[in-house]
Amino acid sequence: GQSLEQPSEVTAVEGAIVQINCTYQTSGFYGLSWYQQHDGGAPTFLSYNGLDGLEETGRFSSFLSRSDSYGYLLLQELQMKDSASYFCASTDSWGKLQFGAGTQVVVTP
Amino acid sequence: IAGITQAPTSQILAAGRRMTLRCTQDMRHNAMYWYRQDLGLGLRLIHYSNTAGTTGKGEVPDGYSVSRANTDDFPLTLASAVPSQTSVYFCASRPGQENTEAFFGQGTRLTVV
Repeated sequence: GQSLEQPSEVTAVEGAIVQINCTYQTSGFYGLSWYQQHDGGAPTFLSYNGLDGLEETGRFSSFLSRSDSYGYLLLQELQMKDSASYFCASTDSWGKLQFGAGTQVVVTP
Repeated sequence: IAGITQAPTSQILAAGRRMTLRCTQDMRHNAMYWYRQDLGLGLRLIHYSNTAGTTGKGEVPDGYSVSRANTDDFPLTLASAVPSQTSVYFCASRPGQENTEAFFGQGTRLTVV
């Protein structure tokens, strides 16, 4: 089976840096993804880690440590539009893509 | 059709009725997924399909069935709806089971009364 744990909410001011941690227990773990969802909208893909290390995509970076079953999403230079829910998701070797419960990021002026 | 489309957008359904949520993609993706989203519980996987002709159970499959007769379509059926199936349902697809990015439909808001 799979389970993913992430904090329920994070609050930060504009311009700040936020790190969202995700720990997972996934049989046949293949990789960790991150998705963003604004209220009422469809989730959209942000980043993927198949190997250990850091992946950088503009203001967003994601990190994976397979030995620690741990990853994080780093949001830099926070903007108001970054207020949203962020989900980590694991892929297993059977093809299942399962999500954590999500972290609500609240950006304040 | 561009991308992945779900229908209907929303539906109010009487308990005990049968309902099929439709999902169609035109990206020729092999892998497709159905999720339900409830407040505070994130996206929970109901069923998935790695390729046409195959399906698998996710975390919360009870009360739901799927079929994958071809690459493009992945309908989700509620045989006899119950109020606990009130939720927002998302369909998603990606090129293969090991590919990175999944694309989501806009969701179906289902209310069972």
